[in-house]
Amino acid sequence: EAGVVQSPRYKIIEKKQPVAFWCNPISGHNTLYWYRQNLGQGPELLIRYENEEAVDDSQLPKDRFSAERLKGVDSTLKIQPAELGDSAVYLCASSLDYRDWQETQYFGPGTRLLVL
Amino acid sequence: QKEVEQNSGPLSVPEGAIASLNCTYSDRGSQSFFWYRQYSGKSPELIMSIYSNGDKEDGRFTAQLNKASQYVSLLIRDSQPSDSATYLCAVAGGTSYGKLTFGQGTILTVHP
Repeated sequence: EAGVVQSPRYKIIEKKQPVAFWCNPISGHNTLYWYRQNLGQGPELLIRYENEEAVDDSQLPKDRFSAERLKGVDSTLKIQPAELGDSAVYLCASSLDYRDWQETQYFGPGTRLLVL
Repeated sequence: QKEVEQNSGPLSVPEGAIASLNCTYSDRGSQSFFWYRQYSGKSPELIMSIYSNGDKEDGRFTAQLNKASQYVSLLIRDSQPSDSATYLCAVAGGTSYGKLTFGQGTILTVHP
């Protein structure tokens, strides 16, 4: 079974430029998560989707970040414009159903973003 | 106070020794506890989950949970150089319903 797929794996951009990340979750997983991991820290949730509905986006900086999950499958996270502090690893994860509190989340390989 | 705190590292142990990783959490309503391993430049990989007080063993790994003390730990017996990685403690449930709240991670180095 294929795991969570993310692209691109690496991205280098100049500040104020836009950038987009793509994620395809494990087949059949209804819940999709976007996390950001700063160097030396654990991942922090940005947004969680249940099918195509964003059920928790309280940590998403909405002035510059946006996300969508059309048709409840793959998802795109966008930053516009990017700032130096956005340099981090952006991780996508998926699970069958977030309402099952024992549910395991499976992580993709991540996108390493460097903003110059 | 951070929601999930892990013992500061890095932790260095000799090959064959027991590595002990600790984690405390602040939300008493937390219900699920996970240990993820993350190799440098890779994504987190689940190695243990625990939901009830007590010990849970899986091969060389043992997770311990004490909800009264709000404490969870991971023991790695017979440590191998391949165990060298960052170990992330994650908590779900309570105010973290539907999401994982991670600690900052503990870097473990197992030297031959």
